[in-house]
Amino acid sequence: NAGVTQTPKFRILKIGQSMTLQCAQDMNHNYMYWYRQDPGMGLKLIYYSVGAGITDKGEVPNGYNVSRSTTEDFPLRLELAAPSQTSVYFCASSLQTGTGAGELFFGSGTQLSVL
Amino acid sequence: QQQVKQSPQSLIVQKGGISIINCAYENTAFDYFPWYQQFPGKGPALLIAIRPDVSEKKEGRFTISFNKSAKQFSLHIMDSQPGDSATYFCAASEKKTSYDKVIFGPGTSLSVIP
Repeated sequence: NAGVTQTPKFRILKIGQSMTLQCAQDMNHNYMYWYRQDPGMGLKLIYYSVGAGITDKGEVPNGYNVSRSTTEDFPLRLELAAPSQTSVYFCASSLQTGTGAGELFFGSGTQLSVL
Repeated sequence: QQQVKQSPQSLIVQKGGISIINCAYENTAFDYFPWYQQFPGKGPALLIAIRPDVSEKKEGRFTISFNKSAKQFSLHIMDSQPGDSATYFCAASEKKTSYDKVIFGPGTSLSVIP
């Protein structure tokens, strides 16, 4: 049982380049999320998905796009990378129970630098 | 109003001592308060959580104290060990129509020295 798997672990981009961060989970969770973590700022939600084909914006969606074609996969696309997107990106999943107490399961993160 | 405040930013505790991390919130719609623990190079993992109808929850050496009227909650780590050295995030969750909105505090870096 791998849990939440993110690739790549590290990446350096030049300004204006594009890339896709991959995320896959094998826990059959319906909810998936993308967060970014900046020093001293905690985790900020970029996008989330409540199921295949359904996505919505979080707190900081600008400069990013997502898709969810299957339950397992939730890739994050960066178009026209900017230095402000230098961050550590975490994908997470949860099984929503309707109680408001869904535990988030995180991947190990992707450290992205835009130079 | 959606913010969760957390202090201190960093904490150094001697082995065997008590580590205390404090958090505060404003939004009374929050109804679930988890703490996540993050080791270097890893993603956060759920450590312990509490509902606002309970004033205290203990799991092993970890205890959450919750003060609903003050809108504050704290994590106490008793008999702190070097293996507890990590970043701790408090969070608050609000049930929305489509998902549970989780707001994270900025984190506390804990170092437990021998």
